[in-house]
Amino acid sequence: EVQLVESGEGLVQPGSSMKLSCVASGFTFSNYGMNWIRQAPKKGLEWIALIYYDSSSKYYADSVKGRFTISRDNSKNTLYLEMNSLRSEDTAMYYCAKRGDYGSYDYWGQGVMVTVSS
Amino acid sequence: DTVLTQSPALAVSPGERVTISCRASESVSTLMHWYQQKPGQQPTLLIYLASNLESGVPARFSGSGSGTDFTLTIDPVEADDTATYYCQQSWNDPLTFGSGTKLEIK
Repeated sequence: EVQLVESGEGLVQPGSSMKLSCVASGFTFSNYGMNWIRQAPKKGLEWIALIYYDSSSKYYADSVKGRFTISRDNSKNTLYLEMNSLRSEDTAMYYCAKRGDYGSYDYWGQGVMVTVSS
Repeated sequence: DTVLTQSPALAVSPGERVTISCRASESVSTLMHWYQQKPGQQPTLLIYLASNLESGVPARFSGSGSGTDFTLTIDPVEADDTATYYCQQSWNDPLTFGSGTKLEIK
């Protein structure tokens, strides 16, 4: 059974940093691209970052480019999202999601809540 | 960015047929996917590549369309289908989602 379990939830002040983790199991993690997708309270879904299976390429949404960094450790089956210079508009539920066929997201974690507030 | 437009909400009775539409601002070929998000849960993939049913998804769900106009159909609707449904395109970068259609079962 595929499982994606995020951690790192919390409340932080504007301008600060935070790191999220996502531990994967039930599939060969090192074979798949992985994504972070977020959802602001009562809002829709926003893709924010993609990392290729071998970390050779990374892509970011304009809204987080230069502030967030996606990375992975295939030896630990773990995906990361380092978030710097956090803003109130970064407040959201953050999901890790496995890249599926044809650019879909076929498995999602349960999500972790990040709140940026003074 | 490719904008995907969905109706905000629909209300139907159990046993009825419902169609949820998604219109893209430019062609996405058939690279359109549909997700269901129940309250308080993460999204789950229902349909990929416009019309292909994800493994384990009931056959009550179906998808169609190509180019700019796509439809998710649920027939018949059940009470458990209360959720928000999102379309997502993967033809153009960045990959984008629609704003979601909230389905209420009367």
